[in-house]
Order: sequence, then C-alpha cells, then structure tokens
Amino acid sequence: DAGVIQSPRHEVTEMGQEVTLRCKPISGHDYLFWYRQTMMRGLELLIYFNNNVPIDDSGMPEDRFSAKMPNASFSTLKIQPSEPRDSAVYFCASTSLSSYNEQFFGPGTRLTVL
Amino acid sequence: EDQVTQSPEALRLQEGESSSLNCSYTVSGLRGLFWYRQDPGKGPEFLFTLYSAGEEKEKERLKATLTKKESFLHITAPKPEDSATYLCAVIGSGTYKYIFGTGTRLKVLA
Repeated sequence: DAGVIQSPRHEVTEMGQEVTLRCKPISGHDYLFWYRQTMMRGLELLIYFNNNVPIDDSGMPEDRFSAKMPNASFSTLKIQPSEPRDSAVYFCASTSLSSYNEQFFGPGTRLTVL
Repeated sequence: EDQVTQSPEALRLQEGESSSLNCSYTVSGLRGLFWYRQDPGKGPEFLFTLYSAGEEKEKERLKATLTKKESFLHITAPKPEDSATYLCAVIGSGTYKYIFGTGTRLKVLA
C-alpha cells in the first residue's frame, strides 16, 4: 500500500482565497482524521470520520473550515476564506480497529497564507 | 478535560547517554496511550500502543512503560539517528478523539 496520500504538499495563497486540501486514506481503513500542527499548539485534531460519517468536529476552529468525505477513499478539508493565522501543516491520518488503533499519517500539507 | 503533558520540551544527549521522556495524562477511561516519532518535514510515525497500567513495550533502543497517570519512553544508549520529536497521545472511552501532547524534541550528539 502507498500509505496515506495528501495533496498538495505545499500551498501558498493569499488571505481571502479558498484552500482545498485532499487526502486518500489507506485502503480498508474506516477512520480518517484531520490534524493541524503549529509550533505553538502542537498537533490538534480538527475532525474525524468513521465510515465516511463525521463523528466529532469539535476541533474545527470556526465556520471557515469544512471537511467532507464523499467516499471511503477520499476526503477534503476546505478553508474559505483563508487567513494568515491558518498557516500550519495539515495532516491526514487513517486507522481501523484491525490496526489496533495505530494511526498512519500522511506526509502533510504545508499551508502558508499571506 | 482530557489532557496530555510531555516533558521535557527539549533534550540533548550525548551518544550512549540513556534517558527518559515523560508523558503525563488525564483522560476518562483510558483506552490507549500511543507513542509516535516525528522527523522534520514528515508525518508522525507510530512506535507503541499501551493499554493498561503495568504494560511495557520494547523496540530496539526504546522501551515504553505505563502507569495510571503517566508513561515513560526510555531510550537506552541512543544514537544520532534517534534524534526526532517524540509525541504521546491518548484516547478515552467511547471516542477516537486522539489527544496529543506537544512533544519532546530529542537531539543526540555524536
């Protein structure tokens, strides 16, 4: 398996623009997680899905953030409009009960909002 | 509120100098405590899962232990390639909401 795939790896945009981050989980995994990592706050869970259904989105900072999982092999995290304080590395991770809760992380998307 | 605190924030060791990293946690009904390693520019990589107090896991120079309030990651005779950030996370009962600590940045000098 290729592991968790994220795109793009780097994104530079201007304040006010829409940003869409993409994730392909490991085949067979039924849990998908979106995280944000900054030096100040570390790794924060934004939202997680089980069987494509959002279970807990309490970490989503505000209405500008939205996430979808239209099928088992694809998820998006959208920021609209983006702000400079959204600059961070965004990680996607997946797991399943048969993986004993071990999360497999993607390489991350480094987002810079100017 | 579920919480994870890691210490120290940063640690510099000479090659071969053993030490321990600490992870203190507060969670309702611990279902699992996890250790991850993160190299610069990469996603965290899984090391261990511990489920109950008294449990221990080992992998090469690393050994993780768990009590009811904290976990330790012991590093024996570290090498420069062990330099990384080590993250601790927990999940509580009835949820898959992983709570991560802010990590310990380990630097092993040759």
